[in-house]
Amino acid sequence: QKEVEQDPGPLSVPEGAIVSLNCTYSNSAFQYFMWYRQYSRKGPELLMYTYSSGNKEDGRFTAQVDKSSKYISLFIRDSQPSDSATYLCAMSAESGANNLFFGTGTRLTVIP
Amino acid sequence: DTGVSQDPRHKITKRGQNVTFRCDPISEHNRLYWYRQTLGQGPEFLTYFQNEAQLEKSRLLSDRFSAERPKGSFSTLEIQRTEQGDSAMYLCASTVGGDEQYFGPGTRLTVT
Repeated sequence: QKEVEQDPGPLSVPEGAIVSLNCTYSNSAFQYFMWYRQYSRKGPELLMYTYSSGNKEDGRFTAQVDKSSKYISLFIRDSQPSDSATYLCAMSAESGANNLFFGTGTRLTVIP
Repeated sequence: DTGVSQDPRHKITKRGQNVTFRCDPISEHNRLYWYRQTLGQGPEFLTYFQNEAQLEKSRLLSDRFSAERPKGSFSTLEIQRTEQGDSAMYLCASTVGGDEQYFGPGTRLTVT
């Protein structure tokens, strides 16, 4: 079993829809959670960074962490065609950890 | 542009040849990471440096792979006797010590 599981999609939504992306994990030591956006043939771009359980909002993006269920989510409101990309969740056990554990990524297409 | 840069962006080589990639981290970032990403997968950790010291290597990093970071600035990743299984995107990331790793655009390696 992989430490981080993520539905690879693909996921297609109409412009303006609310998008929900999710990851589950098995290592209860994970405390730091990130979401990256990766456009085709580009490097991952950090979108959201959260610590422990709770919600964090940044513009149209909201990250949620439920450590009791080992489940994290990223919500995108009022989705735009420019949001079309692969979204990767990543996590680590310690601050300044040596490496991140990534999900496989979910490919999202927002249709105009 | 003050982000992480990588060179070359794309490398095509024949099996058995040696290749070397370069990463220039964000200025003042003391930690530098190398990851490998294959199609449809998230990045997988290879190795990381704290300044010029290589502090951890993944078991994915076979003895054909070597990485250096002389003077604690740029880093190089060399693959000797390339194999077709080495075809992947090689990503470099840097951070000033926290979990917010900033990625470069990657070097896409194709081994024919």
